[in-house]
Amino acid sequence: EVVMTQSPVTLYVSPGETATLSCRASQSVGSGLAWYQQRPGQAPRLLIYGASTRATGIPDRFSGSGSGTEFTLTISSLQSEDFAVYYCQQYSHWPLTFGPGTKVDIK
Amino acid sequence: QVHLVESGGGVVQPGGSLRLSCAASGFAFNTYGMHWVRQAPGKGLEWVSFIRSDGSTKYYADSVKGRFTVSRDNSKNTLFLQMNSLGVEDTAVFYCARTSLISWGFFDSWGQGALVTVSS
Repeated sequence: EVVMTQSPVTLYVSPGETATLSCRASQSVGSGLAWYQQRPGQAPRLLIYGASTRATGIPDRFSGSGSGTEFTLTISSLQSEDFAVYYCQQYSHWPLTFGPGTKVDIK
Repeated sequence: QVHLVESGGGVVQPGGSLRLSCAASGFAFNTYGMHWVRQAPGKGLEWVSFIRSDGSTKYYADSVKGRFTVSRDNSKNTLFLQMNSLGVEDTAVFYCARTSLISWGFFDSWGQGALVTVSS
């Protein structure tokens, strides 16, 4: 199976600043990569699919990039509601696999 | 709007069985594939199972293969997960999630989750 890793484990950012999250796949997944946000006590929410396409209703301060094995989620001008855990997920190969998550916390 | 509501969670003893349901509304259920994804307490997300819109194709994670069975009733807009031979490692919140129409592989809508606790 494709193993997904994410770094850092926790990212401390001040409101209004930019957060850069990394995701790596153990083998190429092409552009079959999605990002999800999970706030405490809530279900995950789709942010990005196809490595760089924002899902419906997602603000343009969220952007994704990368292909193959290296991917990045960038959150610019962090708002209070953006402090959450972010997961990447590959969907090029079965079984579908998630990264362990990056927690974006207030600095 | 899309609405997914899981039910059937609870406490079960090791070796026991449980059946989860996911009631769907707000979209054409019979045209979408559906997934189950779980999250152990304080842990990350783990994909569990997928079923195609017409039920003809099903996939499972190795960790549940042979013990869990996914099914659906399109006449009742409901997704199911039959879980047998449950172990403590199956304790988790189970989410049903809808595929997108672009790909079976990612999840564009999620339910609120149902907690399954396996404990003696």
